This record gives sequence, C-alpha cells and structure tokens, in this order.
Amino acid sequence: IAGITQAPTSQILAAGRRMTLRCTQDMRHNAMYWYRQDLGLGLRLIHYSNTAGTTGKGEVPDGYSVSRANTDDFPLTLASAVPSQTSVYFCASSPARVPGANVLTFGAGSRLTVL
Amino acid sequence: GQQVMQIPQYQHVQEGEDFTTYCNSSTTLSNIQWYKQRPGGHPVFLIQLVKSGEVKKQKRLTFQFGEAKKNSSLHITATQTTDVGTYFCAGTPNAGNMLTFGGGTRLMVKP
Repeated sequence: IAGITQAPTSQILAAGRRMTLRCTQDMRHNAMYWYRQDLGLGLRLIHYSNTAGTTGKGEVPDGYSVSRANTDDFPLTLASAVPSQTSVYFCASSPARVPGANVLTFGAGSRLTVL
Repeated sequence: GQQVMQIPQYQHVQEGEDFTTYCNSSTTLSNIQWYKQRPGGHPVFLIQLVKSGEVKKQKRLTFQFGEAKKNSSLHITATQTTDVGTYFCAGTPNAGNMLTFGGGTRLMVKP
C-alpha cells in the first residue's frame, strides 16, 4: 500500500542523546514535511523540503535538522534531545513543490519521550 | 506571522446532536483544508476550499469558506460515534506558501 512509513513508532530517550526519526514515502511526492503535535497546540511545522536536495525551516526548527538526499527519504535529527522535545512527530508529503498548494498525506507518527 | 485559530478546543455532544467547529485566520487565505484525526491516529485529509463563499458537502459534513476568505467552518449534522476525533483546519496565506494548522477541535460523542 502506497504511503508514508515512519520509524520508530515510539521511543524513550535520555536527555542529551542524539536521535533520528526516519520517514520514507513511496508516492514520488516532491514535498515532504515534519510536524510536531502537542496538546492544545495543533500541528506545528518543524522543517520542510520542497524537492530533493532542498530544505527549509518551519515554525519551530530549533534543535532539529533534516536532510533530503533523495525523493523518498526525509529523516529528522535531534542532535541533543531535551525534555521539551517530548511530542508526537508526524512526517507528511504532498505532490506539489510549493507548500500549501496541495494536500498532505501523513505518516502514522512517532511518539518520542525525552527524560 | 499568520495565525489560524480554531474554536472550540473541545466539544462533547450527545449522539444525534449537531456539531460545528470554527476556524479564523489573521490573514486572507488562498485556500483552506480540513483534516480529521481519529484518537491515536494521524491526520487524514477531508476537503479543500478555494473560492470565496464556497460551500461543500460530504454526506453529513458541510464545509464553508467565508466571503472574506479569512474564516471557515465545519458542521456535522446528527453526529455519530464514528465522528469522534480531532478536526483541524489548515490555511495557506495569499502572501505566502506555508500551510498553517489551527489548534484543532476535539469532538467527543456520547452514545
């Protein structure tokens, strides 16, 4: 079934550790995104990529980095995790190169707890 | 920056009652999208509105885009337990290209 695969599904992490959340899509979508979801705050954009080889900062990029080496993969890295990064992380993709110009397909999410 | 506000944050209804969630933007939007997230799930696209004053229906769900393209609403007629979840609006400003999500309205339906 075509879609987005995220890994891990959940993770408990000690503060200060490095963590990479993986995201792979098989729909050949141009644009990919990382959101974090916190209660009462909805979905906030961390980083995005309009097309392979390019990335951009979203609303809450501090403490996170991304790369887009190819069309399918868009990993999110926390260089040194802090408790405020405890959240549910969703990867999403859309066909369009221009964010907002098309519909988002979301992955199942990765629940991260930083202690 | 652009802000998208949604009210109410939570809503409890008795099964069969109607439900409405409202979305308001601080800036004019080129389009607005609505998503539904079931408990424990991920957001799933419902619909996109692009025209001023546009109204679209999906069975018991009615979506409206305001004349000024700064607000939108989702109305569910005769709620069912399957409607439980969080409904998000998301808008793209005219002057930019980033989709901004509202905080969501969590709907709970008592059978």
